[in-house]
Amino acid sequence: NAGVTQTPKFQVLKTGQSMTLQCAQDMNHEYMSWYRQDPGMGLRLIHYSVGAGITDQGEVPNGYNVSRSTTEDFPLRLLSAAPSQTSVYFCASREGGGYKTQYFGPGTRLLVL
Amino acid sequence: AQKITQTQPGMFVQEKEAVTLDCTYDTSDPSYGLFWYKQPSSGEMIFLIYQGSYDQQNATEGRYSLNFQKARKSANLVISASQLGDSAMYFCAMREGSGAGGGNKLTFGTGTQLKVEL
Repeated sequence: NAGVTQTPKFQVLKTGQSMTLQCAQDMNHEYMSWYRQDPGMGLRLIHYSVGAGITDQGEVPNGYNVSRSTTEDFPLRLLSAAPSQTSVYFCASREGGGYKTQYFGPGTRLLVL
Repeated sequence: AQKITQTQPGMFVQEKEAVTLDCTYDTSDPSYGLFWYKQPSSGEMIFLIYQGSYDQQNATEGRYSLNFQKARKSANLVISASQLGDSAMYFCAMREGSGAGGGNKLTFGTGTQLKVEL
């Protein structure tokens, strides 16, 4: 049971490049989310999914796309990277129903030059 | 208005002493959940403790307890018998909303950096 895994751990992009941050969980959780963490601002929700085929926007969705074709995977796509997207990205998952604990992946550190 | 406020950017505590990390929240929803996470220097987010808005008793998990004062809208984390390994950033978070979904968004505070000293 690996929990929530994220790849890559670290990535450097040039402005305008696109890339996909991978997230997978093996706990059969319905809910998956992407957060970004910036200094002094805590974590902010980018996008989330309540099940395969269902996604919705969070607090800061601009510049990011998501899809959920399977229960296990929830990739985050940066369409055209900007320096403002330099951040640490966390994927999280939890069971459905009530206030279940959210489990976080190890994070991906992204630097956009 | 900030939904979650952590007013202590940094705290120091002596090893084996207890420490309280403050968290106040703002919501008009009667149903909500409060969480504390620990983030060590390695970067991962580690769940510590959870308190539901309808829970009658304060939550406890080992050396962690949550001092829940609903009328004051505060949910302070108390760490007893501090250890060097407790040095980390601590985040308070809230999920609002009722029903099976319980809301999908965790709103985080800005965190408190705790340093445990010998």
